[in-house]
Amino acid sequence: GAVVSQHPSWVICKSGTSVKIECRSLDFQATTMFWYRQFPKQSLMLMATSNEGSKATYEQGVEKDKFLINHASLTLSTLTVTSAHPEDSSFYICSAPEPQTSNEKLFFGSGTQLSVL
Amino acid sequence: QQQVKQSPQSLIVQKGGISIINCAYENTAFDYFPWYQQFPGKGPALLIAIRPDVSEKKEGRFTISFNKSAKQFSLHIMDSQPGDSATYFCAAFQGSRLTFGEGTQLTVNP
Repeated sequence: GAVVSQHPSWVICKSGTSVKIECRSLDFQATTMFWYRQFPKQSLMLMATSNEGSKATYEQGVEKDKFLINHASLTLSTLTVTSAHPEDSSFYICSAPEPQTSNEKLFFGSGTQLSVL
Repeated sequence: QQQVKQSPQSLIVQKGGISIINCAYENTAFDYFPWYQQFPGKGPALLIAIRPDVSEKKEGRFTISFNKSAKQFSLHIMDSQPGDSATYFCAAFQGSRLTFGEGTQLTVNP
């Protein structure tokens, strides 16, 4: 299947700093990518839909100014957690749909564990 | 509200046994039902999926049973192995959105 690469795998940062997470589709183009957040032993919660060349679509309750998403090319989407605080500590996962499908078949990155001290 | 309810929350099975995880949904507009497997510290991986016009799909040791009238579907893992120990998520797709169940933590004892 298609490969989605996510970096870094884990990051520790101080409160108040910003962290950028990259998500790349390695062997296919993705006009749409999805960003999820997952707390320990919980399900995946969709945060936002990243659209190449246009603004991201955020889910209700997700602060767009705190979670900046940029989808500058057909293979790269980034999520920047700005002014991170301990409550932002979580597992962040990106995904991209299989090409030429209606976004139903998603391939996920390996996730980024963010710990904010 | 679109929801997918998954049970059990956790499951312990002996090696060689059958693992069964169940999901139920309300929205009849869902038209694609995948199952994902997730190991600790990793992203989910697509395991198997089914569409509502099919009652069963089998891939190796993994089988999805789908009951459209009851709005339920289940994952059966035959001959469960310790390497199958992971968290399993059912999901349902409609429009451009994939809705996940709460997850089932499966432990297969040797």
